[in-house]
Amino acid sequence: NAGVTQTPKFQVLKTGQSMTLQCAQDMNHNSMYWYRQDPGMGLRLIYYSASEGTTDKGEVPNGYNVSRLNKREFSLRLESAAPSQTSVYFCASSDGFLGQPQHFGDGTRLSIL
Amino acid sequence: GEDVEQSLFLSVREGDSSVINCTYTDSSSTYLYWYKQEPGAGLQLLTYIFSNMDMKQDQRLTVLLNKKDKHLSLRIADTQTGDSAIYFCAGVAAGNMLTFGGGTRLMVKP
Repeated sequence: NAGVTQTPKFQVLKTGQSMTLQCAQDMNHNSMYWYRQDPGMGLRLIYYSASEGTTDKGEVPNGYNVSRLNKREFSLRLESAAPSQTSVYFCASSDGFLGQPQHFGDGTRLSIL
Repeated sequence: GEDVEQSLFLSVREGDSSVINCTYTDSSSTYLYWYKQEPGAGLQLLTYIFSNMDMKQDQRLTVLLNKKDKHLSLRIADTQTGDSAIYFCAGVAAGNMLTFGGGTRLMVKP
């Protein structure tokens, strides 16, 4: 019972490199989300996709792009990584969009040197 | 938008009750959630409460909601070492986005 799967689990990048974080869910959920988690700051929403074919900015979208490839997959891209983007990135999904419970992956730990 | 605040740290002894508190600002939040995060893992949904409820009990977990004071609490009865984790409360803000508190780190001492 996989739920939400994120790849890779760990990554180290140099400043200026690009990277795509992958996320897939097998729960047939309509909505998917990308968050970043920084120490003492909880989770902040980067982008979300309320349904297949739509994406919208969250609280901290600058420096990121997303693609909702199909209903299962939602990827996050860093075009030119910066040290300020060192964080733990979580993907989540939910059945609906109206504040319904979200199910999280185990995270991608990204360090940018 | 919604602001959600939690105390940073709580330490209890095994077998005691733990009470983790949360305050929020958006009184229109329809759902309020508690998530648990163990080291190196994602967030696991523990329980949630609808805004028209005052209390919800689920085995060792009791959620209390005081809408007047915009205060939410999670009580864990008979706390075990396996309950050591970070606990996040979350509320639904305008636009139906979940807003998370900064998390409370619960340490359970044997």
